[in-house]
Amino acid sequence: GAGVSQSPSNKVTEKGKDVELRCDPISGHTALYWYRQSLGQGLEFLIYFQGNSAPDKSGLPSDRFSAERTGGSVSTLTIQRTQQEDSAVYLCASSLDGNSGNTIYFGEGSWLTVV
Amino acid sequence: QKEVEQDPGPLSVPEGAIVSLNCTYSNSAFQYFMWYRQYSRKGPELLMYTYSSGNKEDGRFTAQVDKSSKYISLFIRDSQPSDSATYLCAMTNNNAGNMLTFGGGTRLMVKP
Repeated sequence: GAGVSQSPSNKVTEKGKDVELRCDPISGHTALYWYRQSLGQGLEFLIYFQGNSAPDKSGLPSDRFSAERTGGSVSTLTIQRTQQEDSAVYLCASSLDGNSGNTIYFGEGSWLTVV
Repeated sequence: QKEVEQDPGPLSVPEGAIVSLNCTYSNSAFQYFMWYRQYSRKGPELLMYTYSSGNKEDGRFTAQVDKSSKYISLFIRDSQPSDSATYLCAMTNNNAGNMLTFGGGTRLMVKP
């Protein structure tokens, strides 16, 4: 596709359930990022994938959060045993590679509400 | 203290006004500075990108970086109602793998 594609665009889930959020980056982009944006807040870095290298998971807030990237393209962010404080917009982004200065393109986000 | 500070606003201006948006930061290693615009329920889109200190102009937008003061600005000339959005500053350094550190965003409202 032309841009970063995310699904679902909206998700309401019950506390304690697991959720999976999907990201399809721009074709040819080797770098992929997940950020979280809480209401009225800036973006918080979660995880970064670059090519076949081990991902940088330094931003994941707890061990309930995990992400994988299959075949160097599509990525899935999984949140286990969701809590109300997990309610946020989860934004995926991609860039040509991990070099500073390459433009990062964001998707529209997955809006997660935990009730 | 956050690494990047940004006044959340809201900032309300009349159409045609010059808008000044600002961020301060604490990490002197930051070298790449960006401004993103985010409309309601949309993803951020890149507006301006600047490397190191200096000015960059693109149409009605001017980005300024003062590394000595750790202060960056975005100016919008002849503001339009369509400029109403949240503006996020972001920055990174050479060793961050292009991972961005964001300010909290300033909500701008341009009234016709």
